[in-house]
Amino acid sequence: AQSVAQPEDQVNVAEGNPLTVKCTYSVSGNPYLFWYVQYPNRGLQFLLKYITGDNLVKGSYGFEAEFNKSQTSFHLKKPSALVSDSALYFCAVSLQGMRFGAGTRLTVKP
Amino acid sequence: GAVVSQHPSWVICKSGTSVKIECRSLDFQATTMFWYRQFPKQSLMLMATSNEGSKATYEQGVEKDKFLINHASLTLSTLTVTSAHPEDSSFYICSARGTALPANYGYTFGSGTRLTVV
Repeated sequence: AQSVAQPEDQVNVAEGNPLTVKCTYSVSGNPYLFWYVQYPNRGLQFLLKYITGDNLVKGSYGFEAEFNKSQTSFHLKKPSALVSDSALYFCAVSLQGMRFGAGTRLTVKP
Repeated sequence: GAVVSQHPSWVICKSGTSVKIECRSLDFQATTMFWYRQFPKQSLMLMATSNEGSKATYEQGVEKDKFLINHASLTLSTLTVTSAHPEDSSFYICSARGTALPANYGYTFGSGTRLTVV
């Protein structure tokens, strides 16, 4: 089945440190990959997407993600984490509706 | 641009009653709308896909008679939870794709509806 996976339920980082939230995909053909963030009791906010082109995608709020075809990964990264980045992050693939990973809860501690 | 409004943001209803949730695309025409359900601390699960003017396509395991979806116009889709029971309590989120966007360019999401059935 075509899907994305987020291997980590929880990621903890200290403020100011770099953060990585992992995502791997299993999609035939060219994947259309997305990252969304969700704050408590809120909908989803779009961060970035990879459709084609450069493997390094820059998105909102200083986030970026690197599409790696050989490793079938699309990890989300930020050079310097903020406490306000603490939220639930979802990787998704567009397949007639979005199919989401299980989500990773990011906690950034002061 | 590309704003989706979802209403209500939260609702409490008695067991056995029906609840309607609205999803509107405010500044674009949405040929396709999607409904998701999210249990606490879990991911979003696609429930159904609705295309304007046609019957919704439900994902496997979703009861179409319980979750009625209507997409009567290019800017409005509704989800009605019929004869709600406590196990239907969840966070429901809609998303929409505009006519001008290629199919794989992503979707705009509503802010979600927290349904609590007591």
